[in-house]
Amino acid sequence: AQTVTQSQPEMSVQEAETVTLSCTYDTSESNYYLFWYKQPPSRQMILVIRQEAYKQQNATENRFSVNFQKAAKSFSLKISDSQLGDTAMYFCAFMKHANNDMRFGAGTRLTVKP
Amino acid sequence: GAVVSQHPSRVICKSGTSVKIECRSLDFQATTMFWYRQFPKQSLMLMATSNEGSKATYEQGVEKDKFLINHASLTLSTLTVTSAHPEDSSFYICSARRLAGGPNEQFFGPGTRLTVL
Repeated sequence: AQTVTQSQPEMSVQEAETVTLSCTYDTSESNYYLFWYKQPPSRQMILVIRQEAYKQQNATENRFSVNFQKAAKSFSLKISDSQLGDTAMYFCAFMKHANNDMRFGAGTRLTVKP
Repeated sequence: GAVVSQHPSRVICKSGTSVKIECRSLDFQATTMFWYRQFPKQSLMLMATSNEGSKATYEQGVEKDKFLINHASLTLSTLTVTSAHPEDSSFYICSARRLAGGPNEQFFGPGTRLTVL
């Protein structure tokens, strides 16, 4: 079974600064995807960034980037130039390629302070 | 594109009644839909996976007779909570995987808050 671990229940960052959220996972699969989702107070899950395991290059989406270390099974999210609207719960997720079975970490509550 | 809707957004019911939640993919066909449950301040837990035209696959510990799932078409899946009790109160989220084309990912609905009195 796949497990996803987010060891930081809560984090805070000053507006305009950079913050990194940690995520590790455990799997015996070789073909999979990793995601970071944002869940604001509205509870709507919003995809932040995705990474295919077979790609060595780290994914980047504007202010969001990941540090994917496949051997270490680590998938951290870096948010640059943090904005007040980034305040939300962030979930790391693992999805098997074969059946799209998605597992989520416990989440990290991020607060961006003005 | 890739919008998923859920109806209702919130529902309050009495203990012992059944509640049906609909999940629709509005602008794409979904081979597979997923149902998650989220308790306050907790993560999403996969309840079941439904494929169009076949029986749903339930995660260990999820009572299939209590949480009935029907995936009647490529755009609609329903979750019926039968004989609901207060412990079933939770936030239920569905997601859908596109039939073909596009990146391999799930698109999430806005969720349904169920309160059982």
